[in-house]
Amino acid sequence: GQNIDQPTEMTATEGAIVQINCTYQTSGFNGLFWYQQHAGEAPTFLSYNVLDGLEEKGRFSSFLSRSKGYSYLLLKELQMKDSASYLCAVRLPDSSYKLIFGSGTRLLVRP
Amino acid sequence: DGGITQSPKYLFRKEGQNVTLSCEQNLNHDAMYWYRQDPGQGLRLIYYSQIVNDFQKGDIAEGYSVSREKKESFPLTVTSAQKNPTAFYLCASSTPSWDRVGNEQFFGPGTRLTVL
Repeated sequence: GQNIDQPTEMTATEGAIVQINCTYQTSGFNGLFWYQQHAGEAPTFLSYNVLDGLEEKGRFSSFLSRSKGYSYLLLKELQMKDSASYLCAVRLPDSSYKLIFGSGTRLLVRP
Repeated sequence: DGGITQSPKYLFRKEGQNVTLSCEQNLNHDAMYWYRQDPGQGLRLIYYSQIVNDFQKGDIAEGYSVSREKKESFPLTVTSAQKNPTAFYLCASSTPSWDRVGNEQFFGPGTRLTVL
């Protein structure tokens, strides 16, 4: 089966740094995506990793270790608007390019 | 502006009625997807389509049906056979992998269906 694990909830302080972890066990791997989803809204794309290492995009960075089945999303200089759910998703290597999503991590940023 | 539209945003139906959720995209994407999201859970794939006039079942297709007669449109019908249809439904689309590194899926705003 396919399994993607993320912490259910995290709390952090405005201006701080937070790391959201994601571990996966899937039948194959062809890339890992991070999405941000505010309550009641659509997910929006944050980052993509297919090779090991760190991808940086402004205040957001994402890391991947394929051998460990592990990724993390790093959010720096946290702002109140970063309070949202963060979804980790693995793309399978078949021709469908389907995504398998984790349950998401709900991040609360406090003043 | 290019994007994905879903309508309506909120939908109420009586138990036993079929209901169709609309999804339209003008991004010229070949692939389209339907997901269901329940409170506190991730997205689960219902159906997907990689090309016009072709679609495949996802992980939770029972009680749902789709059509893909046009590239821009991928409507989802929630039938009376779906035992627990109340949920947030999200439509997404993406480009073929050879067009764009990453091939991320773009999501519509979602339809919240409540069955009374």
